[in-house]
Amino acid sequence: AQSVTQPDIHITVSEGASLELRCNYSYGATPYLFWYVQSPGQGLQLLLKYFSGDTLVQGIKGFEAEFKRSQSSFNLRKPSVHWSDAAEYFCAVALTSGTYKYIFGTGTRLKVLA
Amino acid sequence: NAGVTQTPKFRVLKTGQSMTLLCAQDMNHEYMYWYRQDPGMGLRLIHYSVGEGTTAKGEVPDGYNVSRLKKQNFLLGLESAAPSQTSVYFCASSYDVPGLAGGGDEQFFGPGTRLTVL
Repeated sequence: AQSVTQPDIHITVSEGASLELRCNYSYGATPYLFWYVQSPGQGLQLLLKYFSGDTLVQGIKGFEAEFKRSQSSFNLRKPSVHWSDAAEYFCAVALTSGTYKYIFGTGTRLKVLA
Repeated sequence: NAGVTQTPKFRVLKTGQSMTLLCAQDMNHEYMYWYRQDPGMGLRLIHYSVGEGTTAKGEVPDGYNVSRLKKQNFLLGLESAAPSQTSVYFCASSYDVPGLAGGGDEQFFGPGTRLTVL
């Protein structure tokens, strides 16, 4: 069955430190890949997306993600975290099998230490 | 543009009561979705719509009904609320549907409705 795994439920980093959030998917073909961010009490906002082409994609707020087909991964990175990045991050995949399927991971909650 | 709006923001129901959640979008999107978000489970799709007058079941449709009478509105109904339906409900819309039309477009989310069923 298709699935999205975010192995880290919580991550704590110090402000200014680098960040990497992991996302792995299980699917026979290459899906469309997304990272969303959810601030407390808010809906989700798209950070970046990958459909095809360059496997390193740039998003808003200084985030980037790299698609690695061999590892079925789409990890999110940021070189220097800001306190305002504290939020919950969701990886999502949209499957291209012809029937609609958009699957979210269970999320990673990021805490930033001053 | 207001984007995607949801009403109400909070609601408390007793078991067996009914209610309707309203979602409205002003982006002229064809596709609309209802999700529920529960701790440790991410977002799960309840129902979705690919256009005015159409609806389809998602991953967890039982206990919910939906209607899309106007393109800009998508209603989620609970006919007989149960404590298992305590959750945060999010509406979203998109211009295109990943997979079906091959567009892979992003979804725009509303701020959510926190529902408690006692």
